[in-house]
Amino acid sequence: DIQMTQSPSSVSASVGDRVTITCRARQGISRWLAWYQQKPGKAPKLLIYGASILQSGVPSRFSGSGSGTDFTLTISSLQPEDFATYYCQQANSFPYTFGQGTKLEIK
Amino acid sequence: EVQLVESGGGLVQPGRSLRLSCAASGFTFDDYAMYWVRQAPGKGLEWVSGISWNSRSIGYADSVKGRFTISRDNAKNSLNLQMNSLRVEDTALYYCAKDFGVPEGAMDVWGQGTTVTVSS
Repeated sequence: DIQMTQSPSSVSASVGDRVTITCRARQGISRWLAWYQQKPGKAPKLLIYGASILQSGVPSRFSGSGSGTDFTLTISSLQPEDFATYYCQQANSFPYTFGQGTKLEIK
Repeated sequence: EVQLVESGGGLVQPGRSLRLSCAASGFTFDDYAMYWVRQAPGKGLEWVSGISWNSRSIGYADSVKGRFTISRDNAKNSLNLQMNSLRVEDTALYYCAKDFGVPEGAMDVWGQGTTVTVSS
């Protein structure tokens, strides 16, 4: 199985800040990586697929990069609605796996 | 409207079985792979199982392999998860999710989940 490790586990930031979350795969997964946002009591929402392709309707302040084993999710200017938990997920091979999540909190 | 509705959750004793279902609507079901993802209370997401559009490719998390069986009925637009030998640690909210399509592997539509509680 491909283990996915996110960092940090939690981060405090202010509206307007730039935030970067990293995700590392134990082995190379090319660009088979997705990012999700989850708010309390809600199902996850797909933000990015193919490591860097923005899902339709997702604001352009979200961006993704990376390939192989190292990936990043960047939010360029935090908005109040962005405070949530973020997960990466590898889709290179079954079984797919998620990172442990990064909780983005208001400072 | 694209929609996934899970059902079948409930309270069950350890060692017993439960069958989850997911009813899909608003898209061509047999064009897409489908998945089950779970979330234990207060914990992160855990991918449980996936099935290709034609059922030829199936995968399971190590934690459920040999106990859970995923299946789909394309004629009925339904996805199922047969869960046997349930354990306390299987307690979670179980989501059904639709594959994005191209490229495969991302999940773009999720249901609201069905809760499974395993307890004596």
